[in-house]
Amino acid sequence: TQLLEQSPQFLSIQEGENLTVYCNSSSVFSSLQWYRQEPGEGPVLLVTVVTGGEVKKLKRLTFQFGDARKDSSLHITAAQPGDTGLYLCSGRGSNYKLTFGKGTLLTVNP
Amino acid sequence: DTGVSQDPRHKITKRGQNVTFRCDPISEHNRLYWYRQTLGQGPEFLTYFQNEAQLEKSRLLSDRFSAERPKGSFSTLEIQRTEQGDSAMYLCASSSTSVRLGTGELFFGEGSRLTVL
Repeated sequence: TQLLEQSPQFLSIQEGENLTVYCNSSSVFSSLQWYRQEPGEGPVLLVTVVTGGEVKKLKRLTFQFGDARKDSSLHITAAQPGDTGLYLCSGRGSNYKLTFGKGTLLTVNP
Repeated sequence: DTGVSQDPRHKITKRGQNVTFRCDPISEHNRLYWYRQTLGQGPEFLTYFQNEAQLEKSRLLSDRFSAERPKGSFSTLEIQRTEQGDSAMYLCASSSTSVRLGTGELFFGEGSRLTVL
């Protein structure tokens, strides 16, 4: 079973601060995805990373895939209240099934 | 834009009753997935279909759970004799194995929240 561990589990910060959340596994994934989920809604895909060492930027969000394709990080610059939500990472193994971590619940206070 | 749609969004039922959820995937997507999510947890895989074939079922899916995708389009997830432990958000997602349509990312519906009293 491929497991993904996310840290921290909870994060509460003030508007304007920077933050980094992590997604780690002992397994190698062919790709890794980051989703953001708001209460009562389904997860919304933010990014997919495929190549080891890959860095992708989405406005104030920077995603990095580890060289060994076992871990990833999400860095948010100058967080805003609209960034509040559950950030989930998921990994795709040898088939099309995604394995999810438990998520990081981010609260950005105005 | 017709994304993944799920119905109903909310269902409250009494223990022992049967419930059925429906998922309509993105029309060009040939793969459809069901996940379950409880509070404070990430989504847990239940089952997935490629076209009408159910290719994998999780051990989480007890005999009381059954999923179908009869024509390779919409899918239903039925839970018989519901128990309080079945209370969760049931998420449906779809994807495509066609390179033309992307790299296989999952697109989720808004979920069906089940409360078993």
